[in-house]
Amino acid sequence: GAVVSQHPSWVICKSGTSVKIECRSLDFQATTMFWYRQFPKQSLMLMATSNEGSKATYEQGVEKDKFLINHASLTLSTLTVTSAHPEDSSFYICSASRVAGVGEQFFGPGTRLTVL
Amino acid sequence: AQKITQTQPGMFVQEKEAVTLDCTYDTSDPSYGLFWYKQPSSGEMIFLIYQGSYDQQNATEGRYSLNFQKARKSANLVISASQLGDSAMYFCAMREGLVTGNQFYFGTGTSLTVIP
Repeated sequence: GAVVSQHPSWVICKSGTSVKIECRSLDFQATTMFWYRQFPKQSLMLMATSNEGSKATYEQGVEKDKFLINHASLTLSTLTVTSAHPEDSSFYICSASRVAGVGEQFFGPGTRLTVL
Repeated sequence: AQKITQTQPGMFVQEKEAVTLDCTYDTSDPSYGLFWYKQPSSGEMIFLIYQGSYDQQNATEGRYSLNFQKARKSANLVISASQLGDSAMYFCAMREGLVTGNQFYFGTGTSLTVIP
């Protein structure tokens, strides 16, 4: 149990285009989902916290107009990178917390974004 | 101040030996959770073990145990009988408070290499 999927697993796009990444909790309901960004050989950097049915809470320094987050249901959150540029190239990981349990976060497999 | 500190950027261990990965944390909240995650080269984050701030005993999960020293604010991960498949990045994380949807604070990680 507690499986989180991400789609796509990797994407290459041209500069200026928008990319949508989906995060789904497959076998549990996730009231809260998190979006992280990870650069090579570095730790995870929290971008935003997403609660179902409400606006996402962005961390300081993260542009909410550039990284659009929608948490449409208890099993789906999406991150849209708008007008992507090469500096947005990174590994994006989502995670989800179950209501029950000790509060561990279950992570998706990540999406590697490359902007040309 | 850093919420989570991992002072070992890289560690080596001989196969079948035990290894300890260090983690210290900083919080004034009496209620918190400590977590260890493993990230192999594939990028997925794998939950290993959890320790609650009120837990009296050290957590254990198979070959993983958490050496929880509350007064010293340390939560070291001990891996016994290392295997080649244990080679990966290891992240220590903390959640403050009892709300399971609270954000995680991650350390910078320790890269573990198991030598045959």
